[in-house]
Amino acid sequence: DTAVSQTPKYLVTQMGNDKSIKCEQNLGHDTMYWYKQDSKKFLKIMFSYNNKELIINETVPNRFSPKSPDKAHLNLHINSLELGDSAVYFCASSQEQSNGEAFFGQGTRLTVV
Amino acid sequence: GQQLNQSPQSMFIQEGEDVSMNCTSSSIFNTWLWYKQDPGEGPVLLIALYKAGELTSNGRLTAQFGITRKDSFLNISASIPSDVGIYFCAGIRYNFNKFYFGSGTKLNVKP
Repeated sequence: DTAVSQTPKYLVTQMGNDKSIKCEQNLGHDTMYWYKQDSKKFLKIMFSYNNKELIINETVPNRFSPKSPDKAHLNLHINSLELGDSAVYFCASSQEQSNGEAFFGQGTRLTVV
Repeated sequence: GQQLNQSPQSMFIQEGEDVSMNCTSSSIFNTWLWYKQDPGEGPVLLIALYKAGELTSNGRLTAQFGITRKDSFLNISASIPSDVGIYFCAGIRYNFNKFYFGSGTKLNVKP
């Protein structure tokens, strides 16, 4: 039974398209995150939600919009995809906002062509 | 921007050898964590450290929270082939409530 699951695992799409990545956690955690990992493996936080409330919004283009319908789900919608959006996107969750003990999903490899 | 400097960037070692990697910052962190990422997977938490000076072990892994709160190291003893992967340090700064990740140390272990 997967703790943090995100779909799809792979996503190939053309520039200009709009796409969504879904994430669900069954750990009962209060906090969920989206991270972006680039080709050099740098992991950078994009968003953090605590109990459906946006807590952290790093310098991310407005084309990226997270949505948390409930505390077990945090979806990421991306409008007008650009080549530079190609990366692996990880969803994660933690029990508390600041203790750092996060569980990560398997990642979604997004390729924009 | 990147606030954690992790070294070395990569390591090639023989099975059975011990490994050491570290993470430094010019800023004070109140939590240090070490994660491992296998190819095609998300990072998995190995060790979490919450007090300056704390030394914690998890099997063959040992990590320490530096006394200045600006660094941490991870040691792996008697490496085995399944230790291969990328090891990330991560830190949380007081009142910032977000993780900063190091750039990762890629570990290769020759059988």
